[in-house]
Amino acid sequence: SQTIHQWPATLVQPVGSPLSLECTVEGTSNPNLYWYRQAAGRGLQLLFYSVGIGQISSEVPQNLSASRPQDRQFILSSKKLLLSDSGFYLCAWSVGSNTEAFFGQGTRLTVV
Amino acid sequence: QQQVKQSPQSLIVQKGGISIINCAYENTAFDYFPWYQQFPGKGPALLIAIRPDVSEKKEGRFTISFNKSAKQFSLHIMDSQPGDSATYFCAASPNAGNNRKLIWGLGTSLAVNP
Repeated sequence: SQTIHQWPATLVQPVGSPLSLECTVEGTSNPNLYWYRQAAGRGLQLLFYSVGIGQISSEVPQNLSASRPQDRQFILSSKKLLLSDSGFYLCAWSVGSNTEAFFGQGTRLTVV
Repeated sequence: QQQVKQSPQSLIVQKGGISIINCAYENTAFDYFPWYQQFPGKGPALLIAIRPDVSEKKEGRFTISFNKSAKQFSLHIMDSQPGDSATYFCAASPNAGNNRKLIWGLGTSLAVNP
């Protein structure tokens, strides 16, 4: 069966520090991968999506970047965090024409 | 511009009552309409989904009603239970090849009082 792993679950980082969040998917090949951010009490904002290795599309201009070094690995990064980067970050995957998106458990990032 | 508009933002229902959440969309190319349920501190999980070739889909206590001409769809939770208390998101997706980006509503926070 397919599973998605996202870590860490919580993270507190100072302003100006770097960020690296990792997401891996098991049990499927060539998934579409997504990074979302959810501010407190708000909806889901799509940040990046990827349809294959090295293929990244950015949805919103921001202080973040994404990379997909392997088929089932998706990384969210920042060189210097801002206070406004705080939020709940969710990784998700889907496959082909099957539009159901499966979400990880999320990372609660607090920038202080 | 919000392509999928969801209402209400929050909802309080008594145990045993019916919870109704509505969504409206603009893009007639949308052909997949899921509802997701999210508990605090967790990722959203697919609850039920519908395609425009049917007007209603029911799974247990959860029903999607779909009105293609009005470009609206709604989630009905029958016999609402305290365990249903969560945030519910509607979404829509266009028929655009393999990469199916979901367009999300802003969510409805549902509280079911015991």
